[in-house]
Amino acid sequence: GNSVTQMEGPVTLSEEAFLTINCTYTATGYPSLFWYVQYPGEGLQLLLKATKADDKGSNKGFEATYRKETTSFHLEKGSVQVSDSAVYFCALSNMAYGGSQGNLIFGKGTKLSVKP
Amino acid sequence: ETGVTQTPRHLVMGMTNKKSLKCEQHLGHNAMYWYKQSAKKPLELMFVYNFKEQTENNSVPSRFSPECPNSSHLFLHLHTLQPEDSALYLCASSQDRGVTEAFFGQGTRLTVV
Repeated sequence: GNSVTQMEGPVTLSEEAFLTINCTYTATGYPSLFWYVQYPGEGLQLLLKATKADDKGSNKGFEATYRKETTSFHLEKGSVQVSDSAVYFCALSNMAYGGSQGNLIFGKGTKLSVKP
Repeated sequence: ETGVTQTPRHLVMGMTNKKSLKCEQHLGHNAMYWYKQSAKKPLELMFVYNFKEQTENNSVPSRFSPECPNSSHLFLHLHTLQPEDSALYLCASSQDRGVTEAFFGQGTRLTVV
């Protein structure tokens, strides 16, 4: 079946540090991959996405590349800010999967805290 | 503003109460979803509606009853809940059921006492 595994948090960084949050997936066929972000007290917002192998999604300085050979979609940012403190969710959507066709499947989330 | 609005933002209810959560989207989307977010657990998909028809119920207890009167509105009716049902309930919508991108509301923080 389909599943998403992302690194356990929390992750604590100083401002301007480099961020990597690892995400790997299991899926049949060719899923679309997403990163969502949840700021305190809010719902989830789409951060970036990639729909096919080797695509790079990017937004607000964050990037992630769809790596089919390693089934990964790691999130990176070169210089984090205090305002990036949030919970980050990796997710996939797979039209090829029968019963849950097209539904978003989420990882457990990684909490990021950025200190000034 | 995500285009998906949930009310109320916070709700405290007793185990014998009946209440409803409301979700509204004006994005022209055809699919709507209810998710449950509990501490230290992955997001749990509860119900999926596509063109007002329920297409998925992920073994949700009958004390949760969804209703989708039209493609823009989704309700979650609650009755005789348990304290373990306390969670953040998130509504989402997408253009179609084959999700390329889903838009989420801010959620309703539910506390069952």
